Amino acid sequence: EVQLVESGGGLVQPGGSLRLSCAASGFTFSRYWMSWVRQAPGKGLEWVANIKEDGSVQNYVDSVKGRFTISRDNAKNSLYLQMDSLRADDTAVYYCAREIPASTASFDYWGQGTLVTVSS
Amino acid sequence: EIVLTQSPGTLSLSPGERATLSCRASQRLSINYLAWYQQKRGQAPRLLIYSTSSASSRATGVPDRFSGSGSGTDFTLTISRLEPEDFAVYYCQQYGAFGQGTKVEIK
Repeated sequence: EVQLVESGGGLVQPGGSLRLSCAASGFTFSRYWMSWVRQAPGKGLEWVANIKEDGSVQNYVDSVKGRFTISRDNAKNSLYLQMDSLRADDTAVYYCAREIPASTASFDYWGQGTLVTVSS
Repeated sequence: EIVLTQSPGTLSLSPGERATLSCRASQRLSINYLAWYQQKRGQAPRLLIYSTSSASSRATGVPDRFSGSGSGTDFTLTISRLEPEDFAVYYCQQYGAFGQGTKVEIK
């Protein structure tokens, strides 16, 4: 069974940092692009970043470029999101999601999400 | 940058009725398919319809009352007969763009 389990969310002050983790199981992690998608309270979905199977390519939404870093450790079947210089508008539930190969970056499995709250 | 605009914002229907949800792209899409997701309150999104470079498909376990269609800039998710569990928010998506969502509520 495919499972994605996020952790690392919490309350952080504006300007602070947080590192999210996503533990993957039930599939060959190293064969899939992976993404982070977020959802602000009461709002829609926003794609944040993705990373190639081997970690050699990363893409970001403009609003997080230079502040967030996506990475992965295929030996540990884990995905990460390092978030620096956090702002109030980064407050959201952050989901990790698996991309379907050769698709238009469709996400077939999602974690349960981890809540990040940026507030003083 | 592609922007996806969904309409209507809210759709009020009764169980058994047909639901037609629209998603319009700001420019013609290079790949003629969108993904569609269902999200219920407090849950992660669930993939309904996805696309590869050659075809559009329903995700595993998705009932055949859900279907996707469209091309160019105009796309549609159709739920042929609404079941009680179908009342939720629906999103379209392609690559890094999501629509803002359509809520299907019980009339």
